[in-house]
Amino acid sequence: AQKVTQAQTEISVVEKEDVTLDCVYETRDTTYYLFWYKQPPSGELVFLIRRNSFDEQNEISGRYSWNFQKSTSSFNFTITASQVVDSAVYFCALSEAAQGGSEKLVFGKGTKLTVNP
Amino acid sequence: GAGVSQTPSNKVTEKGKYVELRCDPISGHTALYWYRQSLGQGPEFLIYFQGTGAADDSGLPNDRFFAVRPEGSVSTLKIQRTERGDSAVYLCASSANRGKTQYFGPGTRLLVL
Repeated sequence: AQKVTQAQTEISVVEKEDVTLDCVYETRDTTYYLFWYKQPPSGELVFLIRRNSFDEQNEISGRYSWNFQKSTSSFNFTITASQVVDSAVYFCALSEAAQGGSEKLVFGKGTKLTVNP
Repeated sequence: GAGVSQTPSNKVTEKGKYVELRCDPISGHTALYWYRQSLGQGPEFLIYFQGTGAADDSGLPNDRFFAVRPEGSVSTLKIQRTERGDSAVYLCASSANRGKTQYFGPGTRLLVL
């Protein structure tokens, strides 16, 4: 069975601090996708990134970066120089990638990030 | 272009009533998904459509829940004999095809009194 664990329920930082959101996953699949979504107070889930299990290269997009480590089954998300607009709940998710596999996303419980001015 | 839209945005009903929740996917997206999100939790999968057919309905909690997508575009999630435990935000997502990224709508907040 697939499982995603986000151990940090809530994190509070001051603007301009760097913050890392942890994500640990479990799966028996050899191929899978990992995702991060952002859910601001408005409630709509916003897609941030998708990573294929074959691609362990870390990725940077502006102030956002992601560290994928297959050896520790982790896919952590770092926000550099956080801003108040980064305040949201962030979800890590996992899905199968094999042909004919389930398309469903399995989500963690989310980490609520509050960035204070 | 337009994203996924869901109507109504809020629905209040009484225990035992029937409700329908509608999802309009992104134009051209063949795959459509329903999830349910309870307070303080991550979304939980309900059902996935590829075209008109339900390819995976393993997440539907019981036979009071049913979903259709008759023309391969708009989908309706139907809940019969609603219970207070059905109160949640119901999220719809669509993707260009199987294996592609899912994009979510704003959700329908259902409250069963």
